[in-house]
Amino acid sequence: QKEVEQNSGPLSVPEGAIASLNCTYSDRGSQSFFWYRQYSGKSPELIMSIYSNGDKEDGRFTAQLNKASQYVSLLIRDSQPSDSATYLCAVNLYSGSTLGRLYFGRGTQLTVWP
Amino acid sequence: GAGVSQSPSNKVTEKGKDVELRCDPISGHTALYWYRQSLGQGLEFLIYFQGNSAPDKSGLPSDRFSAERTGGSVSTLTIQRTQQEDSAVYLCASSLALDSVYNSPLHFGNGTRLTVT
Repeated sequence: QKEVEQNSGPLSVPEGAIASLNCTYSDRGSQSFFWYRQYSGKSPELIMSIYSNGDKEDGRFTAQLNKASQYVSLLIRDSQPSDSATYLCAVNLYSGSTLGRLYFGRGTQLTVWP
Repeated sequence: GAGVSQSPSNKVTEKGKDVELRCDPISGHTALYWYRQSLGQGLEFLIYFQGNSAPDKSGLPSDRFSAERTGGSVSTLTIQRTQQEDSAVYLCASSLALDSVYNSPLHFGNGTRLTVT
C-alpha cells in the first residue's frame, strides 16, 4: 500500500519565522519527491522537487530527503503571509504498474500571521 | 497555450445525467493524469495516460467513469449517470514523459468544478 502521511495542521507561524513541514512515506522504492502548494480554491503548483538524499535549496525553500528514514520535509525561511496555503507532499514510486502514479498526502495547512 | 487547459471550469448537472470533462495538456507532454479533489480532501488519483494508452485505470471509482485520449494530446473524462457523490473538482495534469524519474513533476490545470444536484 502506497501511503504518504502529513500532519494536517493547521500550522501557524509568525511572519519571518521558519515553517517546517514534514511528510513520511511507506514505500522504500519511492524515487522522486515533490512539494506542491495549493492556495484555497486554486490548483496545486509545484514548488520543489528532490530526488536524492540531502538538502535542496531554492530561495526561501529547502527540501530535505532522508530515504533511510522515509521522510521528506520542507522548510520555509522568512515566512510571509503570502506563504499561507496548503502544502502537499507527493511521492512517485516510478516502477512497475504504478510508473506514472503520483501519491499525494492530504496536505498541511500553513498560516503565516503578520 | 502555455499551461494545462481544462473545460468547462464549472459544470452543474442533474443527477443521472452524463458529463464530459476536457483536458488539453502542455504541448510536448506525453503523460496526462486525472485526479479529483473533494472539498477539504486530498487528491484522489483516477487515471493516467502515457501517450494514448492508459496503463493504470485502477483509480477509477466505478464503471460509470471512463477516460480516453486521442492523438496523444486532448483527453476527455466521462462520467455517466452522475451521482451527488461525484461532486468534486476534477483536476487534469501533465508531465513531460515517463522515461525518466526527473520528468515526472506534474503541472496542473485549473480544474473543473462539478456539482451534481
